Amino acid sequence: DAKTTQPPSMDCAEGRAANLPCNHSTISGNEYVYWYRQIHSQGPQYIIHGLKNNETNEMASLIITEDRKSSTLILPHATLRDTAVYYCIVRVARGNTPLVFGKGTRLSVIA
Amino acid sequence: NAGVMQNPRHLVRRRGQEARLRCSPMKGHSHVYWYRQLPEEGLKFMVYLQKENIIDESGMPKERFSAEFPKEGPSILRIQQVVRGDSAAYFCASSDTISGANVLTFGAGSRLTVL
Repeated sequence: DAKTTQPPSMDCAEGRAANLPCNHSTISGNEYVYWYRQIHSQGPQYIIHGLKNNETNEMASLIITEDRKSSTLILPHATLRDTAVYYCIVRVARGNTPLVFGKGTRLSVIA
Repeated sequence: NAGVMQNPRHLVRRRGQEARLRCSPMKGHSHVYWYRQLPEEGLKFMVYLQKENIIDESGMPKERFSAEFPKEGPSILRIQQVVRGDSAAYFCASSDTISGANVLTFGAGSRLTVL
């Protein structure tokens, strides 16, 4: 699986959009971008994933650049409960391969 | 539809004892993954199992650790002769073969403390 690079930490004001970047310059054509988060002491939670088109669900939006070398996870209206470590992971969608977690970005939402 | 169920949520063992952690995957999921998270560290993959088969155990310590996922019943992660360094949160995840999205659903974890 391709390697990803994320900033170690970010702050965001409550109610504002949180934009979390991820670089994955060695991504292959059959690899998807997945985002998970881990709120303190809880199990990781799936957020969203995409291949090349932008994706949106009830939790977030995923913007993938045209060359697919980077992406941004957007939480449109961050709340205090969004404070967590966010992981960007690149892997193939087929084959049920394990997720490999990096260090992620620690997002702190501030009141 | 209950999510991934792990028990016990908290387990305390003395050095040299055995720890058994159980994981019941989501209904319809036949793939189980175990991860370990040491205090203040990241999630490390341990083992990936399908029913009755170990598919990938590249992250499992060579000694004292074993995992199984029998045809009936939960997946079990077994740690023999525990040491203080085994104190960690152990997370189980499951996935299906139908959706094709390869999304893992995680349990709340089992926290092992070795005295």
